[in-house]
Amino acid sequence: RKEVEQDPGPFNVPEGATVAFNCTYSNSASQSFFWYRQDCRKEPKLLMSVYSSGNEDGRFTAQLNRASQYISLLIRDSKLSDSATYLCVVHGSGYGNKLVFGAGTILRVKS
Amino acid sequence: DAGITQSPRHKVTETGTPVTLRCHQTENHRYMYWYRQDPGHGLRLIHYSYGVKDTDKGEVSDGYSVSRSKTEDFLLTLESATSSQTSVYFCAISESRDSETQYFGPGTRLLVL
Repeated sequence: RKEVEQDPGPFNVPEGATVAFNCTYSNSASQSFFWYRQDCRKEPKLLMSVYSSGNEDGRFTAQLNRASQYISLLIRDSKLSDSATYLCVVHGSGYGNKLVFGAGTILRVKS
Repeated sequence: DAGITQSPRHKVTETGTPVTLRCHQTENHRYMYWYRQDPGHGLRLIHYSYGVKDTDKGEVSDGYSVSRSKTEDFLLTLESATSSQTSVYFCAISESRDSETQYFGPGTRLLVL
């Protein structure tokens, strides 16, 4: 079983839609959680951290459920520019206690 | 954007040849990482460095070696390239150990024939 699992998608949504991604992780000792964004043929970039209390940044909301070991990302009012791959990242797990990256969920927002 | 460059950006090589990829940073960050990214897999850590001449293995280190003789440069060497090492290689840097924010370079696309 992979340490961090995501639905690869793609999620095809119209502009203005609300879309949610989930991610599950296997190591209950994991300490920190993040969402990174990766545009096609580009490098990953940190989108936001995920806190136990949940956190919001504009149209993006991230939540953590430690009991069920999953992390979610909600995008409201989707824009064409949101089209990308979203990587779920877990810290405090994996080899050498480093970041462990999920394979990513592809989002395509269409007009 | 963080000052990270990778060279070369694209490379085609033949099985059995050695290949060296370079990562150069201008941020003076202590920690540097090499990852590979393959379809269906997340980024996987190959090696990392926590200072000049201080390196350690990651999850998929077999067939790779690294060197860091200066803060700003982190080299990844494929000792004898194999087709299974065809991948996109990303370098990343962070200010502190296991920092939540890793800044990535633009990547190197390597094809081993």
